[in-house]
Amino acid sequence: QVQLVQSGAEVKEPGASVKLSCKASGFSFTTDFMHWVRQAPGQGLEWMGLINPNDGNTMYAQKLQGRVTMTRDTSTSTFYMELSTLRSEDTAVYYCARRLCRSTGCVYGGDAFDIWGQGTMVIVSS
Amino acid sequence: QSVLTQPPSVSGAPGQRVTISCTGSSSNIGAGYDVHWYQQLPGTAPKLLISGNTNRPSGVPDRFSGSKSGTSASLAITGLQAEDEADYYCQSYDSSLSGYVFGTGTKVAVL
Repeated sequence: QVQLVQSGAEVKEPGASVKLSCKASGFSFTTDFMHWVRQAPGQGLEWMGLINPNDGNTMYAQKLQGRVTMTRDTSTSTFYMELSTLRSEDTAVYYCARRLCRSTGCVYGGDAFDIWGQGTMVIVSS
Repeated sequence: QSVLTQPPSVSGAPGQRVTISCTGSSSNIGAGYDVHWYQQLPGTAPKLLISGNTNRPSGVPDRFSGSKSGTSASLAITGLQAEDEADYYCQSYDSSLSGYVFGTGTKVAVL
């Protein structure tokens, strides 16, 4: 079935980096952009960025520019999100989420997120 | 802080109708970008409830409906049920931020 399966929980020290994975199955890997969204404990959802699996082009949230890198491996249908220089405020559940376009086609800025991974908890603590 | 504002909580008795507002600005909802809605049950990933302002994905009950006008959007839940207790988020795109944005989130309680 259509699903996104994410890697397991991580515990990192401040200043370290973390690289999470999101493996897609049940749909065409190259068809739809993949977004990353995070949620700090007890807080709301925060969009982090997206990657085009066709060419690897990315777009990141201004707040995370310079610290986040999104990549993909077409041979394994897997997306990756790496966040560097971790701070305590980066403690959150991280989700990957597949783009859904309008029935009439994809438009810039129109993405919804229809399939979500189960989430990966990242704890940043010394 | 989010650029899309929602009420922190709404509540209603079973069977009642509740609405959740999502207030934006001229750089997001008012600019014509689509609004989408998500339901998040405790400890789970968000689930797409409404896409493209008014469209329900397959499997979403017709008790849920979305609307959009000007710089705001709304989610209505009619015939409120106990299983509707969850957090709800709106989502759109903001041209000033050049990125996607979520609302502040609303907790729905069934009395």
